[in-house]
Amino acid sequence: KQEVTQIPAALSVPEGENLVLNCSFTDSAIYNLQWFRQDPGKGLTSLLLIQSSQREQTSGRLNASLDKSSGRSTLYIAASQPGDSATYLCAVSRETSGSRLTFGEGTQLTVNP
Amino acid sequence: DTEVTQTPKHLVMGMTNKKSLKCEQHMGHRAMYWYKQKAKKPPELMFVYSYEKLSINESVPSRFSPECPNSSLLNLHLHALQPEDSALYLCASSQPLRPRETQYFGPGTRLLVL
Repeated sequence: KQEVTQIPAALSVPEGENLVLNCSFTDSAIYNLQWFRQDPGKGLTSLLLIQSSQREQTSGRLNASLDKSSGRSTLYIAASQPGDSATYLCAVSRETSGSRLTFGEGTQLTVNP
Repeated sequence: DTEVTQTPKHLVMGMTNKKSLKCEQHMGHRAMYWYKQKAKKPPELMFVYSYEKLSINESVPSRFSPECPNSSLLNLHLHALQPEDSALYLCASSQPLRPRETQYFGPGTRLLVL
C-alpha cells in the first residue's frame, strides 16, 4: 500500500526566505506526483504536476523536483510571501490508474511579515 | 473556465435527515470525484465516476449514495448519517487517463451532523 509522508508537518518562516518542503512515498510505481495548496476551509488548488518520467517542474517562484527511484519530491518556494501561508499537500497517483490520488498529511506553512 | 462549483457551502443535518450535495463543472471533464476531508487531515477518496459510470467505490458506507446524472453534474445523497461523518466534502473533476492533467477541486461543502 502506497504511503506518502511530508516533512515538516508545520513550518514558520520570515517573509523573503527561501524554503523547501519534502515529500516521500513508499512505492515508486507512480503515474505522476502533484503538489496542491489548500487555504483553511477551502478546496485544493493544483500548483505543479510532475510526470513520472520528468525530473522537475517550475511555475513562477515554485519549483518541484522528483526522484522516482528514491521515492522523494521537494517543493522549493523562493522569496516567500505572507500570501504563501497555507497547507501544502503532496499527492501521488498509481501507475495502473491516474485517478486515485494518495495524499500526504501536508505541511502547514506560515510566512510572517 | 476551470471552475468546479459545489452547493451548498454549509449544511447542518440531523441523523434522520436526507440531504444531497451537488457538484457541477463545465470543463468537459469526464471523470468526477468525491472526497471526504476531516480537520487537519488529507482528503480521502470516496467515489470516482468515469464517463458517468461509477468506477471506484472506496468501501464507503451505504448511507452515502453517489449519482452522476450527466457529464457535468455529480450528486452525493446523504441519509441516516452519523456525527462522525461531519467533514468537508470535496468534489473534483479531470479528464480520465490524462497523465498531464490535474484534478480540479471545488471549494467544498462543510457538513455538520448533529
